[in-house]
Amino acid sequence: QQQVKQSPQSLIVQKGGISIINCAYENTAFDYFPWYQQFPGKGPALLIAIRPDVSEKKEGRFTISFNKSAKQFSLHIMDSQPGDSATYFCAASRTQTGANNLFFGTGTRLTVIP
Amino acid sequence: DTEVTQTPKHLVMGMTNKKSLKCEQHMGHRAMYWYKQKAKKPPELMFVYSYEKLSINESVPSRFSPECPNSSLLNLHLHALQPEDSALYLCASSHPPDRNTGELFFGEGSRLTVL
Repeated sequence: QQQVKQSPQSLIVQKGGISIINCAYENTAFDYFPWYQQFPGKGPALLIAIRPDVSEKKEGRFTISFNKSAKQFSLHIMDSQPGDSATYFCAASRTQTGANNLFFGTGTRLTVIP
Repeated sequence: DTEVTQTPKHLVMGMTNKKSLKCEQHMGHRAMYWYKQKAKKPPELMFVYSYEKLSINESVPSRFSPECPNSSLLNLHLHALQPEDSALYLCASSHPPDRNTGELFFGEGSRLTVL
């Protein structure tokens, strides 16, 4: 059972464009929603994260939008650059109880064309 | 640069070999994790150690044996693996549950090939 659903599976964007990746979850106990960026042959790196008490968080060109009632969150990459080409994973976890078991989405392979 | 260091970066082993993967972190984290990642798939949780004690084992076959000698080190001992065990093995660390901020820091992984 996929706890976090992610779309699209792949995305091609022109340089300077906006990349948008969407995720949805079912478990209302989740209280931490990170996005990870992974380059080929490397481990995932934490990009940006949000908690459900805010609807938006922005760090540089990266923005998370969070809709608690719809149980959805999305990553927006503004002014996309070729160096942003990577696989992006959304995730969710419950930090209140137990170990920090991250439930990952299936990933989105982003290609930014020069 | 990641603060979670994994060695070796690449490992090729036969099905009868015994080898180990090593992970080290110096961020003062007291929870450490092993994940397995197949190509084009998300990481899958294998084991979690919290305060050097095994807290989660996601029904991983016994040919994988984790060990946490101290708060900074995590090992994964490998024995009698199968070709389908070939994958990227990721180590991660975080604060333990009672201080959990949610942030999980990954190493760059050990690429394992089983012949």
